[in-house]
Amino acid sequence: DSGVTQTPKHLITATGQRVTLRCSPRSGDLSVYWYQQSLDQGLQFLIQYYNGEERAKGNILERFSAQQFPDLHSELNLSSLELGDSALYFCASSGRAGGAGELFFGEGSRLTVL
Amino acid sequence: AQTVTQSQPEMSVQEAETVTLSCTYDTSESDYYLFWYKQPPSRQMILVIRQEAYKQQNATENRFSVNFQKAAKSFSLKISDSQLGDAAMYFCAYRSGEDSGYALNFGKGTSLLVTP
Repeated sequence: DSGVTQTPKHLITATGQRVTLRCSPRSGDLSVYWYQQSLDQGLQFLIQYYNGEERAKGNILERFSAQQFPDLHSELNLSSLELGDSALYFCASSGRAGGAGELFFGEGSRLTVL
Repeated sequence: AQTVTQSQPEMSVQEAETVTLSCTYDTSESDYYLFWYKQPPSRQMILVIRQEAYKQQNATENRFSVNFQKAAKSFSLKISDSQLGDAAMYFCAYRSGEDSGYALNFGKGTSLLVTP
């Protein structure tokens, strides 16, 4: 158990819909990262938050947005969903914005868009 | 952005034997960190080993060790005495510097099959 909690574990929805994925980082971790894992794309970095502030952006679509709340949990919002958005979405956390710390991953939220 | 290349989509090893997974990366930074993560069928991402670029000594964690060649930008993972539970997808990852917010950049992975 990594200590990172993601909900929901599975989600099935239709094209054009909007979903919200939730992540609670490890206790004490200030940084939250979101990754997308598709079958043909590997693990793609989407976005990072540190203590409530956006820290870095990766290959995140404009239809996607995220935020980190004062209690440090984070939400990833996916809107106008397309078939190609079907993927496993991982949240990860770490203790500091930098340093040598590895990322601790949640179990992922599997999104299926029909 | 730094790129991480894993040139072996699949590897196979017999139980109790040794296998080496390859990883190369491209960077202009002098200080960085490298990781190997394991993803079993459960899809959980599990850290296997970590290497700081400023350390010349190769990292070791029990049966797992790395061969870090900084000049060649190579970071291979050696698994000794392979066990059935080692079967998984293995990802090499590079930790970006400050401009990229310290996110990990992953290779596409190597699927390791362990046969009895």
